[in-house]
Amino acid sequence: QVQLQQWGAGLLKPSETLSLTCAVSGESFSGFYWSWIRQPPGRGLEWIGEVDPSSGTNYNPSLKSRVTLSVDTSKRQVSLSLTSVTAADTAVYYCARRGRGFYHYVDVWGKGNTVIVSS
Amino acid sequence: EIVLTQSPGTLSLSPGERATLSCRASQSVSSRYLAWYQQKPGQAPRLLIYGASYRATGIPDRFSGRGSETDFTLTISRLEPEDFVVYYCQQFEDSPWTFGQGTKVEVK
Repeated sequence: QVQLQQWGAGLLKPSETLSLTCAVSGESFSGFYWSWIRQPPGRGLEWIGEVDPSSGTNYNPSLKSRVTLSVDTSKRQVSLSLTSVTAADTAVYYCARRGRGFYHYVDVWGKGNTVIVSS
Repeated sequence: EIVLTQSPGTLSLSPGERATLSCRASQSVSSRYLAWYQQKPGQAPRLLIYGASYRATGIPDRFSGRGSETDFTLTISRLEPEDFVVYYCQQFEDSPWTFGQGTKVEVK
C-alpha cells in the first residue's frame, strides 16, 4: 500500500522560499504522476503542479514563475520549491498521486503540511 | 482554464435524506477526466468517484455519480452522519487541473 510522507518548514517570512519534500513508499514510483495541491485556510483546493519522473513537469500558470518541482527517483522523493512567498501562500500543502490510466484522478494523498507565512 | 462551478455552496439536509450536488464545467469535460472527492475536517481529501460515475475502492454504494460534457452530479442516496462534510469535483480535461469551490453538506 502506497504511503506519502511529507516534511518541510512550517513557518516562513515573506520573500522566503517554501521547500517541501514528499517520500513515496510501497508501490511503483515511476509509474505515476506526483502532484502538489494546496488549500488556504477555510478555502478550496488549488492544483500547484505535477512531475512525471519519466518526462518532466507541468505547472499551474498562476504559480509557474515561482514554482519548481523536482524528483529524485533513487530516493523515491518529489520536492516542491515556491519562491518569494507572501501571506497568500499560507495553506496546507498536499503531496498526491495521479495515475496514468484511461481514467484520470488523484487516488492517494499525503497528510498535508501546514505552511504559514508571517512576518 | 476550465472553471468548475459547484452548487449549491451549502446543502442543509437531515440524516437519511438524499443529497444531490452539482458540478458544472465552463467547457466540455470528458467523463473519464472528472473526479469527486470528499474532505473531512482536518483531513486530506479522499477519492470518491472517478470517470464521473465509478466508485473508488471502499466507497459505499450510497454514493453515485453521473453526467457528461458540462454537467456532472454526485448523489448521496441516504445521508449518514459521517457524510456531512465537504465535496469537491476536479477535471483533468485541460491543464491546469482545476477543482470546484466545494459543496458543504451540513445537518439541517
